[in-house]
Amino acid sequence: QSVLTQPPSASGTPGQRVTISCSGSSSNIGSDTVNWYQQLPGTAPKLLIYNNNQRPSGVPDRFSGSRSGTSASLAITGLQSEDEADYYCAAWCDSLRGWVFGGGTKLTVL
Amino acid sequence: EVQLVESGGGLVQPGGSLRLSCAASGFTFSSYAMNWVRQAPGKGLEWVSGINADGSVTYYADSVKGRFTVSRDYSKNTLFLQMNSLRAEDTAVYYCAKTRQYTGSPFDYWGQGALVTVSS
Repeated sequence: QSVLTQPPSASGTPGQRVTISCSGSSSNIGSDTVNWYQQLPGTAPKLLIYNNNQRPSGVPDRFSGSRSGTSASLAITGLQSEDEADYYCAAWCDSLRGWVFGGGTKLTVL
Repeated sequence: EVQLVESGGGLVQPGGSLRLSCAASGFTFSSYAMNWVRQAPGKGLEWVSGINADGSVTYYADSVKGRFTVSRDYSKNTLFLQMNSLRAEDTAVYYCAKTRQYTGSPFDYWGQGALVTVSS
């Protein structure tokens, strides 16, 4: 049981817009920023969004993030086949003095 | 180019010990907090431990507290994870991850991972 809650799966067709939600509490998302990681099959995770809505260099602007209260979301527009991956949200949790992750969302491009 | 290369994984019996290493290059190792994150087979990511830039503060997940110890060697630019009293549920790929800056910063670079299998 992960501290942050994500839907286990999401899907869309090429070109569509998809959103993935991440729900937490006042001790994690509600009090700190959210980061999103993308894990392509068989590879290490990669930082996709940080500080709620910032993209590292090299990440396409098709990816965007937002946070409101104790929830956050990742949006992918213009869905492409190479976006098929697992996506994880993460936040620092003051009460645990450590990082917490969502359970991950497997995105399928139909 | 930032590189993180884990080593030291393998098969160990329950109750045994193992030490993972993460050789860092391409950045000033002493300026960044570092972390260990694991992923059990077919499961999601789980943060395991973190250490601040100067090594004075360490953090652990409740699941490993008292059994795992994180440390760093600045002369070798290497991060370590000493794992004792290993259990079957510790079986996972262990990734080391560099933070963008301080302990609460996101992980901007990850290693390729080291597989640890705890089984008799």
